Amino acid sequence: EVQLVESGGGLVQPGGSLRLSCVASGFSFSTYYMHWVRQSPEKGLEWLSRLNSDGSTKLYADSVKGRFTVSRDNAQKTLYLQMNSLRVDDTAVYYCARAAPGGRGLDYWGQGALVTVSS
Amino acid sequence: DIQLTQSPSFLSASVGDRVTITCRASEDISSFLAWYQQKPEKAPKLLIFAASTLQSGVPLRFSGSGSGTDFTLTINSLQPEDFATYYCQQLNSYPRTFGQGTKVEIK
Repeated sequence: EVQLVESGGGLVQPGGSLRLSCVASGFSFSTYYMHWVRQSPEKGLEWLSRLNSDGSTKLYADSVKGRFTVSRDNAQKTLYLQMNSLRVDDTAVYYCARAAPGGRGLDYWGQGALVTVSS
Repeated sequence: DIQLTQSPSFLSASVGDRVTITCRASEDISSFLAWYQQKPEKAPKLLIFAASTLQSGVPLRFSGSGSGTDFTLTINSLQPEDFATYYCQQLNSYPRTFGQGTKVEIK
């Protein structure tokens, strides 16, 4: 069974940092592209980042470029999102998701990790 | 960035109804569109990709159509478990934008 389990969410002050982890199981993690997507009542679903299978190519939304960094450890089957210079409007539920091959959408999602940025 | 506009934002329907949700892209995205279903406190679930291809395990009452800029998600004979929010996402280019969602509620 494919599973993605996020952790690392929590409450952080504006300007602070947080690292999210997404542990994968049930599939060959090292062969899949992975994405981060967040959701807030204000902005709805917002695509954030994509990382290719070997971690060499990273794409970001403009809203997080330069502040967030995506990475992966294929040996540990784990995807990461390092979030720096956090702002109040980064408050959201953050999801990791697996990209189905061939541009067929995001076929498996984690349960979500709540990040709250507040003083 | 490609903008996706869904309509309606909210609809009220009864069990057994046929429901249609539209998604309009701000530019031509060919057939690079996916549809997701999301229930409260749950992650989105992929229903359809390539505009009209049903994801494995998704009931046949769900169907998708369209290409270019105009797309449709249809649910035939709405079931109680279908009351949820539906989102489209374009897979043509980055950033991979989503529509704002359509909430389907019980009439």
